[in-house]
Amino acid sequence: QKEVEQNSGPLSVPEGAIASLNCTYSDRGSQSFFWYRQYSGKSPELIMSIYSNGDKEDGRFTAQLNKASQYVSLLIRDSQPSDSATYLCAVRGGTSYGKLTFGQGTILTVHP
Amino acid sequence: DTEVTQTPKHLVMGMTNKKSLKCEQHMGHRAMYWYKQKAKKPPELMFVYSYEKLSINESVPSRFSPECPNSSLLNLHLHALQPEDSALYLCASSQGGASGANVLTFGAGSRLTVL
Repeated sequence: QKEVEQNSGPLSVPEGAIASLNCTYSDRGSQSFFWYRQYSGKSPELIMSIYSNGDKEDGRFTAQLNKASQYVSLLIRDSQPSDSATYLCAVRGGTSYGKLTFGQGTILTVHP
Repeated sequence: DTEVTQTPKHLVMGMTNKKSLKCEQHMGHRAMYWYKQKAKKPPELMFVYSYEKLSINESVPSRFSPECPNSSLLNLHLHALQPEDSALYLCASSQGGASGANVLTFGAGSRLTVL
């Protein structure tokens, strides 16, 4: 079992729709959870961080964390073509102290 | 502009060359990282320096040699690389060490091609 798993997609949504990205992790002791966005040929940039169960909202983005289910998600409301990118889920803590482990990434395409 | 600066942006080297990648941050961060990213794959951790000491080495081949001269600088020395080492090398830093909630800020990357 991979440490961090994401659906690789591609996920295609129409402009204005909600995009839902999902991630599961295997280390139950994991403490910190991040979503990064990466445009083709560019470096990852942080979209959201979440550390406790529940929802965290920032503009059009909402991160949801459920530690009991070892599940973290990212919702993008009112999706825009500029949101088209690879979204990387990253998890840190637990037994791998100091190590940030990335999922394989989900390719999102928002079409006009 | 990113606050983590990597140079060079592009590097082409032969298998017998010796070269170095450089990374600099002036945010007062106390942890710095090297990641390697192949096309269509996620970043893979190579090394972590926390408070200028090597804290994680992910069993990286010795042809990659990290160096942290001070808290703002991180180098990756390259020697006798193989074509399969061609990748995007990402430097990152985080405040207050390598643990817990500290968020990584990535540089723009150095794209390495080994001929």
